[in-house]
This record gives sequence, C-alpha cells and structure tokens, in this order.
Amino acid sequence: DTEVTQTPKHLVMGMTNKKSLKCEQHMGHRAMYWYKQKAKKPPELMFVYSYEKLSINESVPSRFSPECPNSSLLNLHLHALQPEDSALYLCASSQDAGHPTSTDTQYFGPGTRLTVL
Amino acid sequence: SQQGEEDPQALSIQEGENATMNCSYKTSINNLQWYRQNSGRGLVHLILIRSNEREKHSGRLRVTLDTSKKSSSLLITASRAADTASYFCATDSFDTGRRALTFGSGTRLQVQP
Repeated sequence: DTEVTQTPKHLVMGMTNKKSLKCEQHMGHRAMYWYKQKAKKPPELMFVYSYEKLSINESVPSRFSPECPNSSLLNLHLHALQPEDSALYLCASSQDAGHPTSTDTQYFGPGTRLTVL
Repeated sequence: SQQGEEDPQALSIQEGENATMNCSYKTSINNLQWYRQNSGRGLVHLILIRSNEREKHSGRLRVTLDTSKKSSSLLITASRAADTASYFCATDSFDTGRRALTFGSGTRLQVQP
C-alpha cells in the first residue's frame, strides 16, 4: 500500500469554527509533513514530524495546530482561521527523516481544499 | 525566497514533441527531486538524482544535474496529452542539515493533442 489518504477532500469553514484535517499512511513511514499550497504556487512546508515528534515548525501561526497521535496518523487542527488561509493542504510521508545526508522521496496525499469564509 | 526557481513558468507543446524544464537552486544539496502535480491534486514523485550523479533516466524522463551551476533539467521525450501537469523540482539543504524539501516555483506544461 503506497497510498496517503486525506480527509475531508473539501472543507468550508467560518472564521470562528474549529475543524481538523486528517492524514493517514500505512507504509511504515516515520516522517510526516503538512504543506500549504496556494493556486499556481509551489507547496510551502508547514510542519514536519519525525518519529512522532515535531521536528520542524516553519513559523506557522498558532491557529494551525498539528498533532501526530501515532506513526500512521497526522492531524491538523484549525481554529480562528482567516480567509487568506484558504488553500490546498497537502500531507506527505517519507520513510526515514533520520539519515544525515539523504532526503527521502515523499509520498503525497490528494489534499484537502480548504475555504475560509 | 524560493530555494529553487524554474523556467519556463509555462510551456505549451504539441504531442510527440520533447519538453525541457530547468531548475536552479541556491544552496548545496544532498539530492534533487522532481515531482508532478495534476491540477488541484497531490504531487507524484518522478525521479531523484543525488548530488554525485550527473544524469538519470526513467522511462521517457531524463534528468541532469550540474552542481557547479546549481541547476537541473527535466526532459520529457515524446510527450503525450496525459503529461499535461505542473512540474516541480525540490531540494533539501546540505548546508543546514535540514532534510525537508523546498519546492521550486514550478513549470506548467500543456501538451496539445
């Protein structure tokens, strides 16, 4: 199974709502990532989890809160978002972020299209 | 600023023609990867080339890497309408030991049938 799944596919929320994005992989990967992508732009890294611990936070606003409950699951909790947070949110995983001189291939989910009203 | 910049930003060709996309980056790298993204979908890994490699092939794809010029190119031969997508290069950073990827600005390829 080489699939990364993300739910929901689409999400519309108001600025006062609390919602969560979910990501799951069963490839035994130990690194998981959240990216944000605006239209016609490249993905921008938000968070990296390595062995279920947060290893990189790209100075993301606190209204985005990641969580890695176990090695297969990654959540992104959303609260008090702004309309400019509307984007495609991509989850990815890779085998091992621990090798000192190598960066692994990343496997991406299909994304969640988020609209903030 | 972006670690990787790609050109052209957009490319339109006829089916059967070859498509070449270029990527430049700024810091020393361990490896460089190319990804493809169909409109509004997730990214799909195409090929990885390590810093000690100069050229790599995979099917109709050919990737070159010139670390002295900090640049890479992706060649798609005998293009098909199904190759229509955005293509991104992605690099890590050897200097900082940061093993997360930074994506280039991307090339939008349109293959006309």
